[in-house]
Amino acid sequence: DQQVKQNSPSLSVQEGRISILNCDYTNSMFDYFLWYKKYPAEGPTFLISISSIKDKNEDGRFTVFLNKSAKHLSLHIVPSQPGDSAVYFCAAGTGNQFYFGTGTSLTVIP
Amino acid sequence: NAGVMQNPRHLVRRRGQEARLRCSPMKGHSHVYWYRQLPEEGLKFMVYLQKENIIDESGMPKERFSAEFPKEGPSILRIQQVVRGDSAAYFCASSPPGVPGEQYFGPGTRLTVT
Repeated sequence: DQQVKQNSPSLSVQEGRISILNCDYTNSMFDYFLWYKKYPAEGPTFLISISSIKDKNEDGRFTVFLNKSAKHLSLHIVPSQPGDSAVYFCAAGTGNQFYFGTGTSLTVIP
Repeated sequence: NAGVMQNPRHLVRRRGQEARLRCSPMKGHSHVYWYRQLPEEGLKFMVYLQKENIIDESGMPKERFSAEFPKEGPSILRIQQVVRGDSAAYFCASSPPGVPGEQYFGPGTRLTVT
């Protein structure tokens, strides 16, 4: 029972363009949402988060949007850089327990 | 400030042996989480611990798996009588008090059961 879904296993984007990674969740009780970036053979690295009281959070080139009615969040990376190439996981939850999606592998083409 | 440390990075066990995975949280972090990542799957929550307390173990299999976070020393995830299906990457994460969502992950331990 996958409570957090990332339906696109992979995404390729030209350097300098926008990367949009999507994530859907099923539990309306979730109130905190996060994005992580993962390189091979390393643990996930926290990128950006958003709580359910907001619909947008921005940190440099990274912006997370939350649409609570659609139970959907997205991560925008602008402009995309080759170093952004990695697997991106979204996570959603409440309290102590967070559910992770299966990840989207982003490739930024120079 | 060292990050979350996990050891060993790679662990090979034969079926029926015990596997012990260690996690040292970041300095100042009192919350530890264990996750398992099976091939082609996302991270699955296993257990959440604070010092000397298991807060939430709802993601942990009822048999053969146990976790602890003693007052002194690292957190330990123990898998007894390992089976091939236990082969996976096991990640530990820690977070500071009051910010459970912002978890900082270790590099993981890749367990292979032969």
